[in-house]
Amino acid sequence: AQSVTQLDSHVSVSEGTPVLLRCNYSSSYSPSLFWYVQHPNKGLQLLLKYTSAATLVKGINGFEAEFKKSETSFHLTKPSAHMSDAAEYFCVVSDEAGNTGKLIFGQGTTLQVKP
Amino acid sequence: DAGVIQSPRHEVTEMGQEVTLRCKPISGHNSLFWYRQTMMRGLELLIYFNNNVPIDDSGMPEDRFSAKMPNASFSTLKIQPSEPRDSAVYFCASSFGLAGNNEQFFGPGTRLTVL
Repeated sequence: AQSVTQLDSHVSVSEGTPVLLRCNYSSSYSPSLFWYVQHPNKGLQLLLKYTSAATLVKGINGFEAEFKKSETSFHLTKPSAHMSDAAEYFCVVSDEAGNTGKLIFGQGTTLQVKP
Repeated sequence: DAGVIQSPRHEVTEMGQEVTLRCKPISGHNSLFWYRQTMMRGLELLIYFNNNVPIDDSGMPEDRFSAKMPNASFSTLKIQPSEPRDSAVYFCASSFGLAGNNEQFFGPGTRLTVL
């Protein structure tokens, strides 16, 4: 069965420094992968998604992620953190059965951005 | 577009009481998902609908939980009777179709506290 593992439950960076949030997935087929962000007391918002096109995916707010099949990874990066990036980030994989719409969420990574 | 609308945003009730959570999906979306988020279990899919029909309710924790979608613009999640362990944030999300690469749009959530 497919799954996602977010390797860090908490990441702290200084404003203006790079962000790296790590995600590994497990799937026996070519999955669709997503990163969602959740700001405090808000719903989840899609940052970006990978759907078997370009392996480097660009999203909103300067974030991007690279799909690496050999490493089964889909890490999220941003060159320069902003205070407004402080939030919870979820790596998500689509259900293996396909066309069910079901998403499988990682446990989340809390990003703290220090001034 | 107003996005996915959920009500109430906060609900505090006593154990044994009935709780009804409401959701209005984005107009034109034909798939609707109910999630529960807790610190211990993260985000869990409870049930989802396609074209107003329940497709998979395997995530519903107990018979105390029920969900309906009487029309394309409204869904309810009911807990009867409620218990303290039901305390969580409940999210509703909608999408167009069930393809694995479809984005789900999340509402702001209902924070439920059962005393």
